[in-house]
Amino acid sequence: NAGVIQTPRHKVTGKGQEATLWCEPISGHSAVFWYRQTIVQGLEFLTYFRNQAPIDDSGMPKERFSAQMPNQSHSTLKIQSTQPQDSAVYLCASRQQGANTGQLYFGEGSKLTVL
Amino acid sequence: GDSVTQTEGLVTVTEGLPVKLNCTYQTTYLTIAFFWYVQYLNEAPQVLLKSSTDNKRTEHQGFHATLHKSSSSFHLQKSSAQLSDSALYYCALSHNTNTGKLTFGDGTVLTVKP
Repeated sequence: NAGVIQTPRHKVTGKGQEATLWCEPISGHSAVFWYRQTIVQGLEFLTYFRNQAPIDDSGMPKERFSAQMPNQSHSTLKIQSTQPQDSAVYLCASRQQGANTGQLYFGEGSKLTVL
Repeated sequence: GDSVTQTEGLVTVTEGLPVKLNCTYQTTYLTIAFFWYVQYLNEAPQVLLKSSTDNKRTEHQGFHATLHKSSSSFHLQKSSAQLSDSALYYCALSHNTNTGKLTFGDGTVLTVKP
C-alpha cells in the first residue's frame, strides 16, 4: 500500500499565478480531505469528498480556491491568482468508507511558496 | 462548532523524564472519537493514539491517553521521553454525525533534550 501520494512536493509560484496540487488517495478509500497547514493557523480543514462527490467545502476560501475529484483515484486543489498568504503546506488525506470516526491517512503534503 | 485546545505550543523535556501534553475540547456531540497525531520533520502526520471510550486508557509506542468526558480532556503522556519523540503533536476530534472531518488543535512541538 503506497499511502496517499501528493504531487508536487514543492511548488514555487509568482504572485498572481495559478497553482494546481494533486492527490492520489489510498486505493479503496472513498473519503478524501484537503487541509492547509501553517505555523500560525495549524491544520485547517478546507474541503471533503465522499465517493467523488463534494460534501463539505466550508473551509475553502470563497474566491480563488477550487477542488475537484474527477475519479476515485485522484483529487486536485487549484488556487487561482496566488497570493503570498496562500503559502502553506497543503495536505491531502483519505479514509475508508463508512468510518466517520476512523482515522485519516495523510500524504506528505505539497509545500506552496508564493513569492 | 467543535474546538480543540492545546495549551502548550512548545514543550521541552530532558530525555528519560516524563512528559505530558494537554488537550481539552468543546463539542455538543455525544458520539466522538479522539486522536493524537504525530508529525516528524518533513513527514506526513500519522495517528499515534485513538479513543472513543470514556475513562479507558489507550496505549501505543510508550505513550498513553485517557478520554475523560467529565473534564473534556484527552491528555497525552509518556513516562520516559526519548530523543526520537521530538516532533509536532496534534490532538484532534471527530464525530459520526457530520462528515467525520477532524478538528485539530493548534499543535504542540515536543523537544526532547539529552
